Formats: sequence, structure tokens, C-alpha cells
Amino acid sequence: AQTVTQSQPEMSVQEAETVTLSCTYDTSESDYYLFWYKQPPSRQMILVIRQEAYKQQNATENRFSVNFQKAAKSFSLKISDSQLGDAAMYFCAYRRRSQGNLIFGKGTKLSVKP
Amino acid sequence: DARVTQTPRHKVTEMGQEVTMRCQPILGHNTVFWYRQTMMQGLELLAYFRNRAPLDDSGMPKDRFSAEMPDATLATLKIQPSEPRDSAVYFCASGLVLLRGANEQFFGPGTRLTVL
Repeated sequence: AQTVTQSQPEMSVQEAETVTLSCTYDTSESDYYLFWYKQPPSRQMILVIRQEAYKQQNATENRFSVNFQKAAKSFSLKISDSQLGDAAMYFCAYRRRSQGNLIFGKGTKLSVKP
Repeated sequence: DARVTQTPRHKVTEMGQEVTMRCQPILGHNTVFWYRQTMMQGLELLAYFRNRAPLDDSGMPKDRFSAEMPDATLATLKIQPSEPRDSAVYFCASGLVLLRGANEQFFGPGTRLTVL
């Protein structure tokens, strides 16, 4: 069975600084997708960034980028120029190509200090 | 602005009562998911449908939970009878799953259920 592990329950970053959230996963599949979701206090789940396992290039979305290491089964999220609005729970998620549902990690609570 | 809607947003009920949660997926999406979020277990899949047919409900306690899609615009999740351990936030999500692509799932705002 696939599992997703986020080893940092909480992280803190100073406004305008850079922070990296860690995620590792376990799978025997070769074709899959990885995601980072943000959940602010409103509870709304917001997709931050996605990565297709067959693509070697790391995905980037504005201030958000990932470091995808397929052999190490690692998928970390880097947030540059952190803003107060980035404070939220961040969930790493995995999806097999042949399935629709997401498997989530337990989340990392990110605080941003002014 | 297409979005997934869920009703009710909050529900407080007493143990033993029936609870029905509703979800309207985004028009044109062919998959619907029900997830449950608790502090202890995190986010876990309860059930999912593709083209209204149930594909996976292995995460759902069968004796008290049921999920249906009466039509393409409505998904329901019922708990009967409800128990305090069912207290959680229940999310509905919908997506358009194609043969290829990291298709995004769009989440509804969730239903916060409290069973006393």
C-alpha cells in the first residue's frame, strides 16, 4: 500500500524568507502524481502545485517550487519570499495513475512570523 | 466560477440520529470523492465514484455509512446511526479523470459534523 509521510508537524518561517517542507512516499508504482495542498483556517483545500512522476523537471508555480527526487521517493515544497497569507496546513498527496483518489500525509502546520 | 458545493456546512446532532451530507460536483466532472478529516487520522478516503458508479468504498464503515450518486449533480453521504467518533470534517471533491494527466481534484468547503 502507498503511504505518504510528512516528518515535520510544524514549521515556522520569517516573512520574506524561504522555507522547505518535506515529504516522502512509498510506492512500487512507476507512474504516479504528487501534489501539495494548502489548507488555511477556512478549511478550504487549495492545490498549490503538482508533479507528474514521468517528468524529470521540477514543477514551479510562482513562489512555490518542488524538489522531486524519484529514486529517493522524496517530494519537498519550497516557498520563497514567504508571506503572511502562506500560513496554513500543507498536505503532501500521492495518486496512482490508474486511480483517482489521493493519499495524504498528516500535514505540516506552517507559521509565518512578521 | 465553478465550484463544489456542500450542505450543510455545519451539523450538530445527537448520537443515534441519521445524518445526510450532500455534495454538488462541478458540472462535467466524472469523478466524485468523499474524504474525512480528523485530528488523529488526518485526511482519508471514504468512497469514490466514477461516472456515478462506486469504484472504491473500502474506507467506509459499511454498517453505518452509505454513499450514493442519485444523479450526476448530486452525491450523498449518510450515516445511520451516528456515533461520537464520526465527528469530523467531511469533504467532497470532484474531478475530471482522463487517461493521462495530473488531473486536479476540486474540493468543497467541507461539512463539520459534531455528534454529541
